[in-house]
Amino acid sequence: RKEVEQDPGPFNVPEGATVAFNCTYSNSASQSFFWYRQDCRKEPKLLMSVYSSGNEDGRFTAQLNRASQYISLLIRDSKLSDSATYLCVVNLSNTGKLIFGQGTTLQVKP
Amino acid sequence: NAGVTQTPKFQVLKTGQSMTLQCAQDMNHNSMYWYRQDPGMGLRLIYYSASEGTTDKGEVPNGYNVSRLNKREFSLRLESAAPSQTSVYFCASIGSQETQYFGPGTRLLVL
Repeated sequence: RKEVEQDPGPFNVPEGATVAFNCTYSNSASQSFFWYRQDCRKEPKLLMSVYSSGNEDGRFTAQLNRASQYISLLIRDSKLSDSATYLCVVNLSNTGKLIFGQGTTLQVKP
Repeated sequence: NAGVTQTPKFQVLKTGQSMTLQCAQDMNHNSMYWYRQDPGMGLRLIYYSASEGTTDKGEVPNGYNVSRLNKREFSLRLESAAPSQTSVYFCASIGSQETQYFGPGTRLLVL
């Protein structure tokens, strides 16, 4: 079983739609969690950290469920510019070694 | 600040050739990383360096060596390239709050 698993998609949604991605992790000792965004042929960039209490940044909401060992990302009012691959990332033990999921591809269509 | 820089951006090698991928960061970060990214595989850690003078293997270290030359620079060497090493290579460094900053990547094709 992979340490971090995501549905690769692609998720094809119309502009304005709400879309949610989930990610599961296998190691219960995981300490910190992130969502990164990667545009085609570019480097990954941090989208947001994921806190136990959940956090929101504009149209983006991230949630963590430690009991079920999953992380979610909700995007409201999707824009064309949201089209990208979203990577779920887990830090196992504050070592700085981040484990990446394979990514979920989102295509927002006009 | 340039952030994380990588050279070269593109490279084509023949099987058996050697090369060194260069990475530098100007953010005074202690930890630096090398990843490879293949279609459908996500990012896989090759080697990392928690601080100047230390290096450790990641998930896929075979066929690679690294050097942490100083705090700024972390290089990745392929001694004898193989077609299985065709990939996109990303260097990264980690700052406060565990945010990783990535370089623009090196696209390597081994024939």
